[in-house]
Amino acid sequence: QMQLQESGPGLVKPSQTLSLTCSVSGGSIRGGGYYWSWIRQHPKKGLEWIGYIYDNGSTDYNASLKSRITMSVDTSKNQFSLKLSSVTAADTAVYYCARGPTAHDAFDIWGQGTMVTVSS
Amino acid sequence: DIQLTQSPSFLSASVGDRVTITCRASQGISSYLAWYQQKPGKAPKLLIYGASTLQSGVPSRFSGSGSGTEFTLTISSLQPEDFATYYCQQLNSYPPTFGQGTRLEIK
Repeated sequence: QMQLQESGPGLVKPSQTLSLTCSVSGGSIRGGGYYWSWIRQHPKKGLEWIGYIYDNGSTDYNASLKSRITMSVDTSKNQFSLKLSSVTAADTAVYYCARGPTAHDAFDIWGQGTMVTVSS
Repeated sequence: DIQLTQSPSFLSASVGDRVTITCRASQGISSYLAWYQQKPGKAPKLLIYGASTLQSGVPSRFSGSGSGTEFTLTISSLQPEDFATYYCQQLNSYPPTFGQGTRLEIK
């Protein structure tokens, strides 16, 4: 079955750019008609949707983060990526990639998550 | 953004108990509500979408109901593996938003 796996640095310095990649296995990003999202969870807190990308590269971002986000997709590698610029300590969180929102308006497959700490 | 408020925030119950968690939306969201279960150190797992449709593979002791602004997640007979944190999520309008979570612990 399909699996998602996040990868990227676990420590980023303030003001730098956080870069994460989600690798998809057990299925193809291309042609499935799915959106692919990034969601984060601050320590001991709730969940925040960051944005999604479609396989044709179209995107939608959370307005609260829009000025700092870039998402991209590489269908040849079956991966999609997140870049978040000008990070601060407030960006310290577990970052998840997920399939969705689906036609049922939910996120049905998630990666295991990767902890990113912003600190000098 | 649509705000989701879950109650209670913390719930203590015993194996075999019937428990209900409520999710209230700041405005009407029709039936565009999903429920997730999250265990420590793990990603959320989709349980219910469309307010009441069980995701494939989810035990039938889980059920969801509601529409508009008030929704419930019910676990009919708690099993040891059900002790976790539960989140609701809406997608009536963007951005998708989540409730603050309900932590379910063993009494």
